[in-house]
Amino acid sequence: GNSVTQMEGPVTLSEEAFLTINCTYTATGYPSLFWYVQYPGEGLQLLLKATKADDKGSNKGFEATYRKETTSFHLEKGSVQVSDSAVYFCALKLAGGGNKLTFGTGTQLKVEL
Amino acid sequence: DTGVSQDPRHKITKRGQNVTFRCDPISEHNRLYWYRQTLGQGPEFLTYFQNEAQLEKSRLLSDRFSAERPKGSFSTLEIQRTEQGDSAMYLCASSPGLSGSGRGELFFGEGSRLTVL
Repeated sequence: GNSVTQMEGPVTLSEEAFLTINCTYTATGYPSLFWYVQYPGEGLQLLLKATKADDKGSNKGFEATYRKETTSFHLEKGSVQVSDSAVYFCALKLAGGGNKLTFGTGTQLKVEL
Repeated sequence: DTGVSQDPRHKITKRGQNVTFRCDPISEHNRLYWYRQTLGQGPEFLTYFQNEAQLEKSRLLSDRFSAERPKGSFSTLEIQRTEQGDSAMYLCASSPGLSGSGRGELFFGEGSRLTVL
């Protein structure tokens, strides 16, 4: 079946450190890929997306590249801030799936001064 | 505030009781989704509506669960004869459908947390 696997957290970094959160997927066909973020006390919100192979999604300094050959969509940021502390979810959507998303288990990021 | 709103935010109930959650989507969105999230897990799809039609239901949605979206506006999720395993965060999301730049983006509410004692 379709699934998303994320690295386990929590990930704890110092401010201005480089961030990578790994995400790999299993899917039939060619899904669209997403990163959602959940800040403390808030609902999930879309961070970035990529709809086809080699596309790069970017937002707020975060980037992720859709790699079909490795079925991956790793999230990266060059310099994290304390305000980036949140839970990050990788997700996929199949074509014709009615916007239904399959999520990974989430990775908690803690950024310290 | 014009985002997705859910009510109640927290519900504590005894096993065997019925509970109902309400979701008000973003007004121009014709698609509405229910997800369930347990501690340490990602959201799991339960069901979705396009306008008033319920188009898909997950195997997770047992016979004790029922969702409605009368008139294609707000939606309710009812759980009958609650069990301790129903304790979770119930998330509602809406989307404008598959056209345009919003393709694939869901807008989530803050969730309704259910605790079954």
